[in-house]
Amino acid sequence: SSELTQDPAVSVALGQTVRITCQGDSLRSYYASWYQQKPGQAPVLVIYGKNNRPSGIPDRFSGSSSGNTASLTITGAQAEDEADYYCNSRDSSGNLHVVFGGGTKLTVL
Amino acid sequence: QVQLQQWGAGLLKPSETLSLTCAVYGGSFSGYYWSWIRQPPGKGLEWIGEINHSGSTNYNPSLKSRVTISVDTSKNQFSLKLSSVTAADTAVYYCARGISGYSGPLYYYYMDVWGKGTTVTVSS
Repeated sequence: SSELTQDPAVSVALGQTVRITCQGDSLRSYYASWYQQKPGQAPVLVIYGKNNRPSGIPDRFSGSSSGNTASLTITGAQAEDEADYYCNSRDSSGNLHVVFGGGTKLTVL
Repeated sequence: QVQLQQWGAGLLKPSETLSLTCAVYGGSFSGYYWSWIRQPPGKGLEWIGEINHSGSTNYNPSLKSRVTISVDTSKNQFSLKLSSVTAADTAVYYCARGISGYSGPLYYYYMDVWGKGTTVTVSS
């Protein structure tokens, strides 16, 4: 399958923990990568592989995977975490196409 | 620090060909997958296709008939051409560096470096 499904919108109170999920058959073979996008800016990689953060990404961002579902967790959400979040992987059907989830708009209350 | 610098025409008429180029600075061109991604206004990210340093390509099936991605390793550049554009091709176009591998028990793929984006508008 070449689809990754995300909830369109999620909200979290300032300082609380939020989980953003991504579902798809490809996630049984691939770790999801996660991108943060703020208005008018290019996406920024925040999580890749099993649970890796690029340099400069705060350790409140973490990733996990189980079966066909990947999760991005923000522990102690900050106002600056308000953004769109996209998951991504390759299609596992053999064609190696790249797929993105539809994105989740995170609102920090 | 690897940087991607992209450029190309920002205003096209219907039926014209979109042409964008992305230059890679500060890093190797080999061993990576070089992708184009687009984002229509108010919508999500859509992968267009990728190329590696040897010129092997992989395209989104929904765009494959109109897309050509090429590489110039002598200049560390890769390019996108999208033919017969319509208003539906209006979007911000990004180039990005992709990395694939295996870290048991799963494979991984991610895009770690992105260009700033080029806004392309198709209008008569």
